[in-house]
Amino acid sequence: DAGVIQSPRHEVTEMGQEVTLRCKPISGHDYLFWYRQTMMRGLELLIYFNNNVPIDDSGMPEDRFSAKMPNASFSTLKIQPSEPRDSAVYFCASSGAGNEQFFGPGTRLTVL
Amino acid sequence: GDSVTQMEGPVTLSEEAFLTINCTYTATGYPSLFWYVQYPGEGLQLLLKATKADDKGSNKGFEATYRKETTSFHLEKGSVQVSDSAVYFCALKWGGKLIFGQGTELSVKP
Repeated sequence: DAGVIQSPRHEVTEMGQEVTLRCKPISGHDYLFWYRQTMMRGLELLIYFNNNVPIDDSGMPEDRFSAKMPNASFSTLKIQPSEPRDSAVYFCASSGAGNEQFFGPGTRLTVL
Repeated sequence: GDSVTQMEGPVTLSEEAFLTINCTYTATGYPSLFWYVQYPGEGLQLLLKATKADDKGSNKGFEATYRKETTSFHLEKGSVQVSDSAVYFCALKWGGKLIFGQGTELSVKP
């Protein structure tokens, strides 16, 4: 199994631009999670899906952030417009029937 | 609300030293507890878990025991190696999501 796949691995953009982060969960997993990691705030859960349906988006910072899961094998996290304070590492994770979440390698986002 | 508190890092040890990283939690009910490890430049990986009181999780020489009476899940290893240098996260699972502690950075010197 290839594990959770995220793209791009690194993204550098300018303030005001739209950013789209992508995630392919492990096949057969029915939960998908988006996290943000920063030095100041640690690891934060942004949103999670079950069977492609958003269950809890209380961690999404503001309306500039949106997430979709159009099918069981793909999810996106979009930031529009991006701001320097959005600079962080964004992780996608998936899980199946068990408790364990499997994390992707992350996307390091830098907003200039 | 539910929360996890870990001892602050960084923790610096010499190779073969004994490791303890403290973790306490606050939760309504009886959550499952986890330790995850993050190596530089990588995502988090599950290290060990325990799903009920008095369970001991173990993996790669690391151990942690679910203590309901003290609401703790301390991570221990008898003899650390340089390759154990990483950030360690304690977490609890309640409902569909994980709640993480702030992470503890461990640095092991040869």
